[in-house]
Amino acid sequence: GAVVSQHPSRVICKSGTSVKIECRSLDFQATTMFWYRQFPKQSLMLMATSNEGSKATYEQGVEKDKFLINHASLTLSTLTVTSAHPEDSSFYICSAPVAGGLGETQYFGPGTRLLVL
Amino acid sequence: QKEVEQDPGPLSVPEGAIVSLNCTYSNSAFQYFMWYRQYSRKGPELLMYTYSSGNKEDGRFTAQVDKSSKYISLFIRDSQPSDSATYLCAMTWGANSKLTFGKGITLSVRP
Repeated sequence: GAVVSQHPSRVICKSGTSVKIECRSLDFQATTMFWYRQFPKQSLMLMATSNEGSKATYEQGVEKDKFLINHASLTLSTLTVTSAHPEDSSFYICSAPVAGGLGETQYFGPGTRLLVL
Repeated sequence: QKEVEQDPGPLSVPEGAIVSLNCTYSNSAFQYFMWYRQYSRKGPELLMYTYSSGNKEDGRFTAQVDKSSKYISLFIRDSQPSDSATYLCAMTWGANSKLTFGKGITLSVRP
């Protein structure tokens, strides 16, 4: 299957700092990527859709000025958590869709665990 | 009514059991259906995907889709302790479209 990587896998930062998380499609190109956050024992919550060459589309309730998304190339999307606070501590996961002869599916990265102190 | 409903858990079975996981959906626009397995503190791993009604088999896993009833299932045969994880059903309507997930069910396979 297709491979999606994320970096870093874990990050600890102080409150008020900004943190950048990278999502890369390693063996395919992705004009669209998706960013999720997941709290313990809960399902994934879609935050935004990252679009190569255009602005990201944010889900209702997600602050676009706090969670900056940049889809710099067909294989890289970045999520920057600006002025992070302890309540931003969560598991952030990206995914990228792959279209093939049998239809449409999506592959997920391994996730980034953010802890804001 | 949520767009995707997944049988609540948790679910605990003995090793070797057949496991049936189910989801129903209300939006007939969904065309592509996926099952993901997620281990604790890891990203979801794609197990099965399909786009047509019927069964699709891959090793010990069988995915079943019934579009007329808006119902999908995942069967796990000869379950193993390593199958212990959270299972998420997901679906979408087209290329580059966001996924809609079920809430997930936590499966525990007892040795």
